[in-house]
Formats: sequence, C-alpha cells, structure tokens
Amino acid sequence: DAKTTQPTSMDCAEGRAANLPCNHSTISGNEYVYWYRQIHSQGPQYIIHGLKNNETNEMASLIITEDRKSSTLILPHATLRDTAVYYCIVRVSVRNYGGSQGNLIFGKGTKLSVKP
Amino acid sequence: DTGVSQDPRHKITKRGQNVTFRCDPISEHNRLYWYRQTLGQGPEFLTYFQNEAQLEKSRLLSDRFSAERPKGSFSTLEIQRTEQGDSAMYLCASSLLREETQYFGPGTRLLVL
Repeated sequence: DAKTTQPTSMDCAEGRAANLPCNHSTISGNEYVYWYRQIHSQGPQYIIHGLKNNETNEMASLIITEDRKSSTLILPHATLRDTAVYYCIVRVSVRNYGGSQGNLIFGKGTKLSVKP
Repeated sequence: DTGVSQDPRHKITKRGQNVTFRCDPISEHNRLYWYRQTLGQGPEFLTYFQNEAQLEKSRLLSDRFSAERPKGSFSTLEIQRTEQGDSAMYLCASSLLREETQYFGPGTRLLVL
C-alpha cells in the first residue's frame, strides 16, 4: 500500500501558484519524498524529490516540514498544461542507503485541474 | 537526448492470443522496470531488471507473464493467453544503478476483446 495520503482533487486558477499537499506521517529517516505527475494518457513524468531540505528546480518547489511527516509541491505559476494527476511517493534512497527495493509505490494521486 | 521508448503504443487483441511489448530504456541505464496501470489507478509494479538479471517480481506477475532483458539493453514483456482483465496501460521505466529517479516511457495501451 502507498505510504502517502493526498487529496483526491484540487482546482487552481491559471497563473496562480498550485500547492499540492502530501501526508507521509510514517516516513522513515532513510526515505525520500518523490513527486511525479501524469498527464492524461501519457507515462508518469518525474518532477522533483527531496530528503529533508526544501528543493527547487525548473519545474517546481518541494517544501518538507521539519518533522518530515508532510510535504507540499508548489507549481509557482500554473498553466493549463499542468493539468494532471500528481503522485507523492516515499522511497528508500538507493544511492545513500543502499535500498534494494526497485519499485515505486503509487497511490491514486491528486487530480489537479488548472482553469482559465 | 532520447527518453524511454515503448512499442507498440496501442495493441488490440482477442482473448487467448499472445502479445509482446518492447521497451528501450535510456542509453546506459542499468535498471529497467515494468508497471501496469488500470483505469483510475496509479501504476502498479510488475518487475525490474538490473542489467540482464531480473531481481524482483510482483505477485501481480502471474505465470502467463514473462519479461526478459537478454543483453541488458531493451526488454520485452510477453503475456500469454490474454484475458480481458489484462487490459491496461503497460509502462516501462529506466534508471541508473545508483540513481533514484525512474524515467518512464509513454506506455503501451492493451485492449483485450
């Protein structure tokens, strides 16, 4: 079972910031938080990941609470093309902690609808 | 820079037929993963390879399913005696050996009539 809890759906106005929450209250110290998104009928697309520090890349920002029990993915200026299902996943780091489990465990994600 | 590619993109078959899908990972990616996604659900893990070796298989991978990666590059997923319940999107992903990020292909959508 997925170790994360996300709202089923969210709306966001075009041009505004989209803030997608994720609850991972049972996260372990060696587990990273990953975000992927899936636009209709396409394969999942990697967005960002982090351990405990906030992270930013060209797509989004990831804010992780100090206790690491929850996080928020921020799309700073949402566009219509950001309409997708967003998945929050926790996973043991392969590189840093020698995690051997290969797979990602997806939940149902949050369906984000960006409206004009 | 080519990403993960999958072929075919769509497949319609009749129940009882065998089907084979191909995945070409990103060049030099050691790990290759197969997932299955049904309507309204997130992707579910099927199996993964590290180079030629198949290291993990999900209980979802029944004996009608077989995956290979003979030369450690492309992989095939075969489903024998297809059933209507096999209708799904089959996704392939690849990653470097010590790299966290899996990159997904566009998927193969299978419809079993």
